[in-house]
Amino acid sequence: AQSVSQHNHHVILSEAASLELGCNYSYGGTVNLFWYVQYPGQHLQLLLKYFSGDPLVKGIKGFEAEFIKSKFSFNLRKPSVQWSDTAEYFCAVNSGNTPLVFGKGTRLSVIA
Amino acid sequence: EAQVTQNPRYLITVTGKKLTVTCSQNMNHEYMSWYRQDPGLGLRQIYYSMNVEVTDKGDVPEGYKVSRKEKRNFPLILESPSPNQTSLYFCASSFRQGHHTQYFGPGTRLTVL
Repeated sequence: AQSVSQHNHHVILSEAASLELGCNYSYGGTVNLFWYVQYPGQHLQLLLKYFSGDPLVKGIKGFEAEFIKSKFSFNLRKPSVQWSDTAEYFCAVNSGNTPLVFGKGTRLSVIA
Repeated sequence: EAQVTQNPRYLITVTGKKLTVTCSQNMNHEYMSWYRQDPGLGLRQIYYSMNVEVTDKGDVPEGYKVSRKEKRNFPLILESPSPNQTSLYFCASSFRQGHHTQYFGPGTRLTVL
């Protein structure tokens, strides 16, 4: 069965710091990879996704992620975080028509 | 506006009292799904539906039922709720499975006393 590991449970950064959130998955075949964000009190919304093509994917709000097949990783990055990026971030994976499997999430707190 | 709606948004109930949480989407999506979100556990899938009259169990189906009689609706039924079903529930839909983006509803916070 597929699984997703997010290494950091809670990350605290100052505004303007760079961000990298780790995500590793356990599946050897073709995968679809997603990052979703949940702002406080809100529902999940898509940040970005990868399913083919350029392994460096750019999403909304300045986020990007890189699919590294050899490392089974899909880390999320942002060069300079803002207070409004405070949220919980979920990595998710599926393959073909299998259900989406989510990681446990990483809570990001950005302080002024 | 394209959206997924859930009702109710908040519900406090007692053990054993049957309840239904409704979910509706207006995007003509084939795929719909229910998740529960618990602190430290992320999102876990309860049930999903690939299309009308097609439903299947997710990772944590015990204590829940679903039905998909119409494409737009996918209600979640708790026949006899228990305190361990206290959670935040999200409905989601997408055009199909695979690489298609899932759109989430606003969530239903359920407390079972």
